[in-house]
Amino acid sequence: DTGVSQDPRHKITKRGQNVTFRCDPISEHNRLYWYRQTLGQGPEFLTYFQNEAQLEKSRLLSDRFSAERPKGSFSTLEIQRTEQGDSAMYLCASSLETSGETQYFGPGTRLLVL
Amino acid sequence: EDQVTQSPEALRLQEGESSSLNCSYTVSGLRGLFWYRQDPGKGPEFLFTLYSAGEEKEKERLKATLTKKESFLHITAPKPEDSATYLCAVRRNTGNQFYFGTGTSLTVIP
Repeated sequence: DTGVSQDPRHKITKRGQNVTFRCDPISEHNRLYWYRQTLGQGPEFLTYFQNEAQLEKSRLLSDRFSAERPKGSFSTLEIQRTEQGDSAMYLCASSLETSGETQYFGPGTRLLVL
Repeated sequence: EDQVTQSPEALRLQEGESSSLNCSYTVSGLRGLFWYRQDPGKGPEFLFTLYSAGEEKEKERLKATLTKKESFLHITAPKPEDSATYLCAVRRNTGNQFYFGTGTSLTVIP
């Protein structure tokens, strides 16, 4: 069991650039979630996949954010035209539908937009 | 509107000094309440899931309880390695979103 992995662990970019993060869930986990967490706050839901289908997105999610999960395995989260307010920790979590609601989180990708 | 409030924001305990963390919630139709531990710079680590009022779960020095309006995480005789931020989250019967509180930062002093 290798757990949820995320890449990169850290990313520094300039305002206006595009960035892409990758999440590899625990194998056979069919549910995948993306969250954003800023200092002193709890994780904020961004989007949810069941297999390859994106079933839910936060109403607060800007259209500069897009996520994919081709073939229902790994997932990518892209932020276009980054802004300083996008600086945060981006967390990925996965779970198995048949094993209840337990989410297993990855280590996160820390984004700093200069 | 669904809301999760955790208190206190921060808690400092002497090693061995037992205490409780609170998570109060307002949600239309609770499907489950979840407790996580988060160490600095890391992702949250799952601790417990509670589904119905009256339910209790235990793990080592931690015990989680649930009522219709709140949950408590009791820490018995804490050790310095219990120092972390403890997060509470809820999920409704409808939808797939999990709503997290802002956490309680626990420091256990040797």
